[in-house]
Amino acid sequence: GNSVTQMEGPVTLSEEAFLTINCTYTATGYPSLFWYVQYPGEGLQLLLKATKADDKGSNKGFEATYRKETTSFHLEKGSVQVSDSAVYFCALTQGGSEKLVFGKGMKLTVNP
Amino acid sequence: NAGVTQTPKFQVLKTGQSMTLQCAQDMNHEYMSWYRQDPGMGLRLIHYSVGAGITDQGEVPNGYNVSRSTTEDFPLRLLSAAPSQTSVYFCASSYLGGLETFGPGTRLTVT
Repeated sequence: GNSVTQMEGPVTLSEEAFLTINCTYTATGYPSLFWYVQYPGEGLQLLLKATKADDKGSNKGFEATYRKETTSFHLEKGSVQVSDSAVYFCALTQGGSEKLVFGKGMKLTVNP
Repeated sequence: NAGVTQTPKFQVLKTGQSMTLQCAQDMNHEYMSWYRQDPGMGLRLIHYSVGAGITDQGEVPNGYNVSRSTTEDFPLRLLSAAPSQTSVYFCASSYLGGLETFGPGTRLTVT
């Protein structure tokens, strides 16, 4: 079946540090890929998405590129801020389905 | 537009008690779903519905019932709560084939 594997953390960074959160997937066909963010005490929000190979999703300074050859969708940000402290989830859907398959999530803490 | 709303925000139950977690959306979405979030496990799909009168099981359906009598509402019922059901529960909705919008969550503790 479909699955998502991501770095689990927790990870603590200093403000302005570079962030990479690895995400790889297993799926048949051509899934759509997503990064969701959950700020403390809140629900999940879509951060960015990519629906086909080589697409780059970007939002709020975060980027991720859909790499079919390595089945990866790593999340990057060049300079993190304290406000980026949250839990980050990689996820996929497949074949036009609405059903999301999530990775386990990674908690990021950014210190001033 | 209120989006996806969930009540209650917090709930404490004793083992064996029953309760219903409410979920409503005002976006006329056909698809609705329930997930549970546990530390180190990500979100796992409990049940979902593609329209009024239609429900189906997700990855972890045991111990939960759902019904979909209207497009707007998708309640999740725990008939006999167990400590293993301590979790944060998220409801979500979307158009068919669309991207899900999540509610704010219900934090449930079963003692």
